[in-house]
Amino acid sequence: EAAVTQSPRSKVAVTGGKVTLSCHQTNNHDYMYWYRQDTGHGLRLIHYSYVADSTEKGDIPDGYKASRPSQENFSLILELASLSQTAVYFCASSADWGGAGSQNTLYFGAGTRLSVL
Amino acid sequence: GDSVIQMQGQVTLSENDFLFINCTYSTTGYPTLFWYVQYSGEGPQLLLQVTTANNKGSSRGFEATYDKGTTSFHLQKTSVQEIDSAVYYCAMRDNTNTGKLTFGDGTVLTVKP
Repeated sequence: EAAVTQSPRSKVAVTGGKVTLSCHQTNNHDYMYWYRQDTGHGLRLIHYSYVADSTEKGDIPDGYKASRPSQENFSLILELASLSQTAVYFCASSADWGGAGSQNTLYFGAGTRLSVL
Repeated sequence: GDSVIQMQGQVTLSENDFLFINCTYSTTGYPTLFWYVQYSGEGPQLLLQVTTANNKGSSRGFEATYDKGTTSFHLQKTSVQEIDSAVYYCAMRDNTNTGKLTFGDGTVLTVKP
């Protein structure tokens, strides 16, 4: 069974402060993703990575940085947290991008609930 | 750009009722389509993948169909149970080698006993 662990599970941050959300996977997966979930807006992709030491921008990268120091770990960094970044953040991993013959199932962590005050 | 529209934000049913959720998509090329389910306090998990137009996928009593002509895909279940209460997301993966999924806004399904 795929395992993606996020920490912390919840966090309260102050406006302008720095926040780091961590994700660890034990699936030996190459691909990792950070999604943001807002009520009524589904999941939106912030950053992703397909190899260690490299990250790519997703659909809503502004205000976020990402770091992939190893295959297993993927962090999301808010250098200057803002009220609008209050949301639930999900990390996910997949074995590959889903080419022919591949199912490319995304395995999600349980999420981090971030409140910026 | 790619988009997925999921119109039904909330659906309330009684046990043994029929469930039907619809999504439409917009992209170039031939997408792969998915349904994910999110139970309270958990992350989303894959429910179904549909890869071939006019073919069906099925899992746990749910069935998914995909109509390339109308660029729509549907999730249905003949008889829902209270344990099916969850948020259901339709999602689409394009044909680039990023593995990125574009999600609909989700449908909150509440099944009353």
